[in-house]
Amino acid sequence: EPEVTQTPSHQVTQMGQEVILRCVPISNHLYFYWYRQILGQKVEFLVSFYNNEISEKSEIFDDQFSVERPDGSNFTLKIRSTKLEDSAMYFCAQTSGKSSYNEQFFGPGTRLTVL
Amino acid sequence: QQPVQSPQAVILREGEDAVINCSSSKALYSVHWYRQKHGEAPVFLMILLKGGEQKGHEKISASFNEKKQQSSLYLTASQLSYSGTYFCGTDRVQAGTALIFGKGTTLSVSS
Repeated sequence: EPEVTQTPSHQVTQMGQEVILRCVPISNHLYFYWYRQILGQKVEFLVSFYNNEISEKSEIFDDQFSVERPDGSNFTLKIRSTKLEDSAMYFCAQTSGKSSYNEQFFGPGTRLTVL
Repeated sequence: QQPVQSPQAVILREGEDAVINCSSSKALYSVHWYRQKHGEAPVFLMILLKGGEQKGHEKISASFNEKKQQSSLYLTASQLSYSGTYFCGTDRVQAGTALIFGKGTTLSVSS
């Protein structure tokens, strides 16, 4: 099974600071997603990214968030001015998009703690 | 709109069976099932497509009733390793769309 990697595994930041979370994609995968999970709650969709642009986003994904593939490889999620309520696990997921099954593979996650 | 899962929690002894349900108010293309252990990422278990196709682990079985927009995950002869939170995720079109997850069902298996 393909492995998705994310860095860092844990990020601690002060409220108002910017953070960048990174995901290393699987080479033949076309679709990328960011999900978040507040402790003890469900997994929530943030944004999907295809062909170097956003294809879908949820109401959670406001102006404080942005995504890009700055070097054509890593896929990043930036939070410009973190709030306490941004504390959560952030998961990157990918799918090849070449199969009707569309199974999504999740990375190990980044635990973001905003103080 | 998120799918609704039931029950919220299940407690089993090893060897017992369980059924976890997932239902949606909207027409679905596919239903995905994931298991998540505490502090870890969700792990893909199974996907069921409209039309009857499915793909997943050999020891996991599930059903998808397209007309009722419902899916059930069947866990038989449970093992300690089955413990975790089970999420169903749904999407409405083919390939590339995001999953909308239910709130999860927590399964605890004891010896």
